[in-house]
Amino acid sequence: DTAVSQTPKYLVTQMGNDKSIKCEQNLGHDTMYWYKQDSKKFLKIMFSYNNKELIINETVPNRFSPKSPDKAHLNLHINSLELGDSAVYFCASSQAEADTQYFGPGTRLTVL
Amino acid sequence: AQSVTQPDIHITVSEGASLELRCNYSYGATPYLFWYVQSPGQGLQLLLKYFSGDTLVQGIKGFEAEFKRSQSSFNLRKPSVHWSDAAEYFCAVGDSNYQLIWGAGTKLIIKP
Repeated sequence: DTAVSQTPKYLVTQMGNDKSIKCEQNLGHDTMYWYKQDSKKFLKIMFSYNNKELIINETVPNRFSPKSPDKAHLNLHINSLELGDSAVYFCASSQAEADTQYFGPGTRLTVL
Repeated sequence: AQSVTQPDIHITVSEGASLELRCNYSYGATPYLFWYVQSPGQGLQLLLKYFSGDTLVQGIKGFEAEFKRSQSSFNLRKPSVHWSDAAEYFCAVGDSNYQLIWGAGTKLIIKP
């Protein structure tokens, strides 16, 4: 059973395009997250979302916006993609904010 | 400010040898501490965590870690590594906002 799933696994697109990455968790967790992992493997929290409360990392450009249609989904929408957005994006979820986070397989985004 | 340091960018160990990966943190209160593993092209998987209680924590795949408050460390150990342990290992600390602060990772290379 897939706990945290992301689609697509790979995404190649041109600069300036708008794209979305979908994330779903079937664990019944209350909190979901988006991370960006750069080429040096450094993991950076982008957003956390709990019961409709969104906590944004202030360093994230406003071209990035999370959208949560329900508790089990937290999608990431990116406008006007830039070369520097190329990275692997991970979705994660946890039961409560202090609990263990379970990660999705990642989406490798390449912006050309 | 809270931070996590993994001083070794990569470590090479012979198969069957023992392993210790270092992790030091900077945090004012009692930390929540985690070790995650990322296999090539995969998402992150939790190896073990420390929230409170016994400072020696057992995890999956034969890993353990010891929380040493006096040294602000949470080093990961395994008595005998297997080739399948080759991966990137990340230490993380949960802060007061329950966000994970990540180390830069240590790449484990296994020599046959």
